[in-house]
Amino acid sequence: DAGVIQSPRHEVTEMGQEVTLRCKPISGHDYLFWYRQTMMRGLELLIYFNNNVPIDDSGMPEDRFSAKMPNASFSTLKIQPSEPRDSAVYFCASSLDPYRDDGQPQHFGDGTRLSIL
Amino acid sequence: AQSVAQPEDQVNVAEGNPLTVKCTYSVSGNPYLFWYVQYPNRGLQFLLKYITGDNLVKGSYGFEAEFNKSQTSFHLKKPSALVSDSALYFCAVRDMWGGGNKLTFGTGTQLKVEL
Repeated sequence: DAGVIQSPRHEVTEMGQEVTLRCKPISGHDYLFWYRQTMMRGLELLIYFNNNVPIDDSGMPEDRFSAKMPNASFSTLKIQPSEPRDSAVYFCASSLDPYRDDGQPQHFGDGTRLSIL
Repeated sequence: AQSVAQPEDQVNVAEGNPLTVKCTYSVSGNPYLFWYVQYPNRGLQFLLKYITGDNLVKGSYGFEAEFNKSQTSFHLKKPSALVSDSALYFCAVRDMWGGGNKLTFGTGTQLKVEL
């Protein structure tokens, strides 16, 4: 099975530019998560979707960040305008319904390393 | 509210020796507990989980973890460490019936296995 696929793997851009990160979850998974990882703050959940609907976006840092899931096989995380403090590794993860008795784990992509100059 | 603590930033162990990476948790209800491993420039990989039942859970690559309800701990163990086990390890918890579908991760423990 193909895992979670993220693109691009690396992104370097200048402050003020729009950045779009992309994610293709594992086929058949109901849930999709976006995380951010930094040395200072560790792994932070930004937002998650269930069946393409955003359920909890309380982790989105500010209005410059937005996420969409137009269909079951694609999601984007957009930052506009970008700032140097947004530099981090952004991960996408997906899972089956975690309320099943066997506690479905989340499966992570390899991330996008974002550098804002 | 749910939380996880990994008290050690780094654990060093010699190859062939047993290893333990510590994790304690806090949830309102019953916990789902997970261990993940992260290699450089890669995403987190699922190692094992505890849902219910046997307190000793076996997972990938020879790892196991022991659930201790009274001590609210879920320590990761391996009887004989390999150099290739060197990586960043994360413990995570989710309240079985509350907290939505959020996993709360610990801050991670860097495991270094030396020859």
